[in-house]
Amino acid sequence: DTEVTQTPKHLVMGMTNKKSLKCEQHMGHRAMYWYKQKAKKPPELMFVYSYEKLSINESVPSRFSPECPNSSLLNLHLHALQPEDSALYLCASSQGRDSTDTQYFGPGTRLTVL
Amino acid sequence: AQSVSQHNHHVILSEAASLELGCNYSYGGTVNLFWYVQYPGQHLQLLLKYFSGDPLVKGIKGFEAEFIKSKFSFNLRKPSVQWSDTAEYFCAVTPVRGGGNKLTFGTGTQLKVEL
Repeated sequence: DTEVTQTPKHLVMGMTNKKSLKCEQHMGHRAMYWYKQKAKKPPELMFVYSYEKLSINESVPSRFSPECPNSSLLNLHLHALQPEDSALYLCASSQGRDSTDTQYFGPGTRLTVL
Repeated sequence: AQSVSQHNHHVILSEAASLELGCNYSYGGTVNLFWYVQYPGQHLQLLLKYFSGDPLVKGIKGFEAEFIKSKFSFNLRKPSVQWSDTAEYFCAVTPVRGGGNKLTFGTGTQLKVEL
């Protein structure tokens, strides 16, 4: 099983809402990632968790708050977002060995902020 | 910080034509190199990767790529494309040391294969 699942597939929220994106993998991977992908652009790394600890935060605004409750789950909590935050949010996972790891991507959550 | 350039943004080919997509990277140290593909409506998936050894690597679906260190390049090739190869192709790198598993993508190349 090389699947990363993400819920929900689509999310529409207002600027005052609080919502969460969820990501799950059952491959025994120990590294998990959040990326943001705007239309016609490449994915951009937001956060990396390695062995359930935040190891990389790419200077993401605090209105995005990641959480890794256990090695299989990764959440992204959203609060007071702006319309420019509308994008496809991708989750990925990898074994967590080293930089040669293959990252396995989920299908993404398409977020629209009104 | 590392950066990746893909000079071909849109490529249109007929079936059975040969494909070569360019990828160049910039980084002060050693990198691992990847090609990912995103088929319409599907998630990103790995085509192939290079981290050491033979600089000519073979991946899935008949794709191959050659790492040329002197040119900082990792071009993707396929001798004969099929309609099902229509997709967006991303070149990406991770630093071998000091970058964690930070994957940096190029801007992507949209390939359309016509029947």
